[in-house]
Amino acid sequence: DAGVTQSPTHLIKTRGQQVTLRCSPKSGHDTVSWYQQALGQGPQFIFQYYEEEERQRGNFPDRFSGHQYPNYSSELNVNALLLGDSALYLCASSRAGTRTEAFFGQGTRLTVV
Amino acid sequence: AQSVAQPEDQVNVAEGNPLTVKCTYSVSGNPYLFWYVQYPNRGLQFLLKYITGDNLVKGSYGFEAEFNKSQTSFHLKKPSALVSDSALYFCAVRAENSGYSTLTFGKGTMLLVSP
Repeated sequence: DAGVTQSPTHLIKTRGQQVTLRCSPKSGHDTVSWYQQALGQGPQFIFQYYEEEERQRGNFPDRFSGHQYPNYSSELNVNALLLGDSALYLCASSRAGTRTEAFFGQGTRLTVV
Repeated sequence: AQSVAQPEDQVNVAEGNPLTVKCTYSVSGNPYLFWYVQYPNRGLQFLLKYITGDNLVKGSYGFEAEFNKSQTSFHLKKPSALVSDSALYFCAVRAENSGYSTLTFGKGTMLLVSP
């Protein structure tokens, strides 16, 4: 079992550009959540996808959007990048309707210059 | 709204000594509580959780945590620290009655274990 895999591991983008981050959940998991972890901070919830729909959203602007595919994999898109978007983006997968813990990927380090 | 407080930015302990990393929470209803560990430039690794039942839960690598409902705390403990335990530790909470599995995290506590 490969666990949660994220790609790419590192990314450098210029202000104003757009970026897409990808996540494959752990086998058997159907729910994907995205978190932003700024330097020195705890992860902050962006949104969660289940059954290919956004089910819950944190306090992030509409520049942040996502998608979930039928195979449960997910993408996080960020438009009009700002310097403040520089962070570690973490994907977590879980199984809906259970008390099981969320499993996290290794993250994508995004640097906006 | 739910929240987690980790009052210590850093905890220093000598190898072989017991360690405690503190966590308090606020949530509507019964909590599900979690501890995760993060090594440099890595994702979060699950350590242990409290869902229901015994207030003392045991997890990976010899860690344990005690749930105290009256004090709304979930402190992480280990009887004998190892240098390899040095890492960033996060406490997280979600509400039992939430239909979603989203977590609210504390800001993290850096644990430094000296030889």
